[in-house]
Amino acid sequence: DGGITQSPKYLFRKEGQNVTLSCEQNLNHDAMYWYRQDPGQGLRLIYYSQIVNDFQKGDIAEGYSVSREKKESFPLTVTSAQKNPTAFYLCASNPTALNNQPQHFGDGTRLSIL
Amino acid sequence: KQEVTQIPAALSVPEGENLVLNCSFTDSAIYNLQWFRQDPGKGLTSLLLIQSSQREQTSGRLNASLDKSSGRSTLYIAASQPGDSATYLCAVRPGHGSGGSNYKLTFGKGTLLTVNP
Repeated sequence: DGGITQSPKYLFRKEGQNVTLSCEQNLNHDAMYWYRQDPGQGLRLIYYSQIVNDFQKGDIAEGYSVSREKKESFPLTVTSAQKNPTAFYLCASNPTALNNQPQHFGDGTRLSIL
Repeated sequence: KQEVTQIPAALSVPEGENLVLNCSFTDSAIYNLQWFRQDPGKGLTSLLLIQSSQREQTSGRLNASLDKSSGRSTLYIAASQPGDSATYLCAVRPGHGSGGSNYKLTFGKGTLLTVNP
């Protein structure tokens, strides 16, 4: 079955450490997104990518970095510069050639500070 | 800047009741509006997508309406069941922009629905 796989499900970060969240999709979608979800805040866009080797900052990109070396993969690195990384991180994708298609989401990674 | 508001923030109803969830947005220049469901600790599942030229979409017991000019959408759930308990989010896609910005969704904060048996 096609879908988006996020790993790990739970992740713990030590002070000063960079951690990387994995997002893989087999839907053949061009566009991929990373969102952060905090209680009572809704989803906020961190980074997005429309094609391989290209990505743009979203609304809260500071302290995060991404890469898009393959169509299927869009990993997110939470750097030590992100002072409040505790949140639920969601990866999403959608096709761009077909309009009016919904975004598909992975099951998320919950990141906590040790 | 687009803002999306969902009212109420939480709703508790007895099983079998029909209910309406509300979503409003400040910029009516949208391409489409999507309703999602989120179960605790899970990702979002798309329920309905309404194109800007449409008035409503139906899927089973769910009916979503869109009044673009007034910046409002409603999600109607008929004959609610305990399995409908979840957080429901709406999101709008802008009708303008380029370079990928026209695919960026703006989300509301969601309505937490509890259906009691």
